[in-house]
Amino acid sequence: QSVLTQPPSASGTPGQRGTISCSGSSSNIGSNYVYWYQQLPGTAPKLLIYRNNQRPSGVPDRFSGSKSGTSASLAISGLRSEDEADYYCAAWDDSLSGPVFGGGTKLTVL
Amino acid sequence: QVQLVQSGAEVKKPGASVKVSCKTSGYTFTSYGITWVRQAPGQGLEWMGWISAYNGNTNYAQKFQGRVTMTTDTSTSTAYMELRSLGSDDTAVYYCARAPVAVAGTDFDYWGQGTLVTVSS
Repeated sequence: QSVLTQPPSASGTPGQRGTISCSGSSSNIGSNYVYWYQQLPGTAPKLLIYRNNQRPSGVPDRFSGSKSGTSASLAISGLRSEDEADYYCAAWDDSLSGPVFGGGTKLTVL
Repeated sequence: QVQLVQSGAEVKKPGASVKVSCKTSGYTFTSYGITWVRQAPGQGLEWMGWISAYNGNTNYAQKFQGRVTMTTDTSTSTAYMELRSLGSDDTAVYYCARAPVAVAGTDFDYWGQGTLVTVSS
């Protein structure tokens, strides 16, 4: 049971907009930044979004993050087949004194 | 370019220990920390702990307290993670990632390729 809650799966067709939600509590998302990681099949995770809505260099602007209260969302515009991956949200948890991850969402581009 | 290269796959018996290395290059080792995250087969990411390469401070997840030791060798820019008293549920891919230097944080911007540790009798 993960501290942050994500839907196990999401899907969309090429060109559509896809969104993945992440729900937490006041001790994590409610009081700290949210991060998103993308894990392509068989590879290590990659930092996709940091500090709620910032993109590292090289991440396309099709990816965007937002946060409201104790929830966060990752949006992907113009879905492509290469976006098929597992996506994880993460945030620092003040009660646990460490970072916590969501259970991950498998995105399928139909 | 920043690189984190981990040691190879390991097979261990229950009760044994494993030590995974993470050799870094392309940045000033002591200006960052290293965090360790593991992923059991078909499962999500689990944070294990963090070490500052600047002063050796550590922050271990409560689940692994007393069973894990993270160290660094600044002369070779290498981080190590040792996990003891292995059980079958420790079978996982273990990742190292570059992290902030002062606190564990959640900002892991470069990752190693992962090391598969299999625990089996």
